[in-house]
Amino acid sequence: RKEVEQDPGPFNVPEGATVAFNCTYSNSASQSFFWYRQDCRKEPKLLMSVYSSGNEDGRFTAQLNRASQYISLLIRDSKLSDSATYLCVVNLNPIAAGNKLTFGGGTRVLVKP
Amino acid sequence: DAGVTQSPTHLIKTRGQQVTLRCSPKSGHDTVSWYQQALGQGPQFIFQYYEEEERQRGNFPDRFSGHQFPNYSSELNVNALLLGDSALYLCASSLGDREYQPQHFGDGTRLSIL
Repeated sequence: RKEVEQDPGPFNVPEGATVAFNCTYSNSASQSFFWYRQDCRKEPKLLMSVYSSGNEDGRFTAQLNRASQYISLLIRDSKLSDSATYLCVVNLNPIAAGNKLTFGGGTRVLVKP
Repeated sequence: DAGVTQSPTHLIKTRGQQVTLRCSPKSGHDTVSWYQQALGQGPQFIFQYYEEEERQRGNFPDRFSGHQFPNYSSELNVNALLLGDSALYLCASSLGDREYQPQHFGDGTRLSIL
């Protein structure tokens, strides 16, 4: 089983619709979670950190479910510019000093007119 | 505010050669991590440098080595290059080595091995 797993997609989304997808992680001791966005042949860019209480940033909402060991990302009112690969990122080694991020394979989202 | 900068942007090498990639962290950051991203996959952690020491290492062979300088910049060295080393190499910086600090990525160096 992979440490961080994502549905690779693609999720084909009509413009203006809502899309949501999850990411599961294997280590129950994980403490830090992030969503990054990566455009084709570009570097990953931090979209948002994911907090235990869940958090929202404009049209984006992230949630953490520790019991089931997954995080989710919801995008409302999808824009064409939301088309990208969304990377789930987990810090799986919170006990030892350091900040080693483990990435999922990414979920590809295609927003169409 | 200068972001993470990497050089070179692209590089072509042949099998058996050695390569050095460079990274300057975002202004104010002191920790540098290196990742390898193969086509169609998520980035894989190589190692992290903090206070000029390698603090953590991923599952990469000893052919992959690195260094951090007093100004926090870093180098990634790969010896005896293999075809499978072809990938996008990403540098990320953060403030301190704590797990809750988000990392910011540079544009990457695209390495092709012929």
